[in-house]
Amino acid sequence: EAGVVQSPRYKIIEKKQPVAFWCNPISGHNTLYWYLQNLGQGPELLIRYENEEAVDDSQLPKDRFSAERLKGVDSTLKIQPAELGDSAVYLCASSLGGRGAGDTQYFGPGTRLTVL
Amino acid sequence: AQSVTQLGSHVSVSEGALVLLRCNYSSSVPPYLFWYVQYPNQGLQLLLKYTSAATLVKGINGFEAEFKKSETSFHLTKPSAHMSDAAEYFCAVSGWGDNDMRFGAGTRLTVKP
Repeated sequence: EAGVVQSPRYKIIEKKQPVAFWCNPISGHNTLYWYLQNLGQGPELLIRYENEEAVDDSQLPKDRFSAERLKGVDSTLKIQPAELGDSAVYLCASSLGGRGAGDTQYFGPGTRLTVL
Repeated sequence: AQSVTQLGSHVSVSEGALVLLRCNYSSSVPPYLFWYVQYPNQGLQLLLKYTSAATLVKGINGFEAEFKKSETSFHLTKPSAHMSDAAEYFCAVSGWGDNDMRFGAGTRLTVKP
């Protein structure tokens, strides 16, 4: 079974440029998560989707960040414009969903963003 | 809201020695608890998960963790460290009615030959 796929793996951009990350979850997983991981820290949730609905986006900086999961499968996270402080690893995870808090999340390899 | 604290940002052990990584949680109700491992330039991989079925949870790669409600702890152990265990380890917690998972800051494990 294929795991969570993310692309690109690495991205280097200049500040004020836009950037987008793509995630394809494990087949059959209804819940999709985007996390931000700063160096030396644990992941922090940005947004959670249940199918195509964003059910928790309270930590997403909506002035510059946006996300979509139009068909309830793959998802895109966008930053426009990027700032120096956005340099981090962006992780995508998925889970079966419908099991409440005990749902196990499976993570992709992440996209390492460097903003110059 | 639930939170998790990992004591020690860096732990160093010799190959063959006991590995002990500490995790304490704060929760008003019994939580779900997880340990994940992250190798360099990779995503997080689930080591084990506590779901209240048993207080001693066995995971992959010889790791296990014991849930102690009285101490609000979920420490990760392995009897004998291997060089391949060198990685970052994260404890995480999620609770009833809240599917959000909260992670600790991580503990970097170094294994010396």
